[in-house]
Amino acid sequence: NAGVTQTPKFQVLKTGQSMTLQCAQDMNHEYMSWYRQDPGMGLRLIHYSVGAGITDQGEVPNGYNVSRSTTEDFPLRLLSAAPSQTSVYFCASSYSRRGIGGETQYFGPGTRLLVL
Amino acid sequence: ELKVEQNPLFLSMQEGKNYTIYCNYSTTSDRLYWYRQDPGKSLESLFVLLSNGAVKQEGRLMASLDTKARLSTLHITAAVHDLSATYFCAVDESRTYKYIFGTGTRLKVLA
Repeated sequence: NAGVTQTPKFQVLKTGQSMTLQCAQDMNHEYMSWYRQDPGMGLRLIHYSVGAGITDQGEVPNGYNVSRSTTEDFPLRLLSAAPSQTSVYFCASSYSRRGIGGETQYFGPGTRLLVL
Repeated sequence: ELKVEQNPLFLSMQEGKNYTIYCNYSTTSDRLYWYRQDPGKSLESLFVLLSNGAVKQEGRLMASLDTKARLSTLHITAAVHDLSATYFCAVDESRTYKYIFGTGTRLKVLA
């Protein structure tokens, strides 16, 4: 198993550009999530999904869109990049969150994004 | 709104010493997680605590959960340099599936 994969590893954008950060997992996990990590602020939840076709907002959703058309993939779209979105983005997944809970999350390697 | 606080934020300790990292959270939850992150790397799971009084141990690390006090501790016994990393606790908010992280504790173990 490849686990959780993210592409690209590093990206530079200009203000106003759009892009999609890719995330995929091959563990048949229902729950997937996106976080951003900024110095001194830990990880903040952007969006999450409890299964294909179901997404919801986390703590800091503004400026980001997600969709979940398959169990495996959970892309994160930046609609119009801003310097405040410079961060490290992590995707994570866990086995199941539908009324059971208690599963640890498996994290991808991260995407470093710089918005100029 | 669920808030998760860790202290201390930074910890510098000598090898061989013991210390405890604290994780407080603001709403009812009986599921708490600890992760480790090395510089420039991703997060790796350490412990999953699923009930009041749960205790888990792995090597020099021991984690416990007190859901009544809304407190988890990560105890380090006889620290070694290899434990230098940032440690995060996380809590999932009941009924909403939101998974909220603390700000992390950066641990540096000095030889």
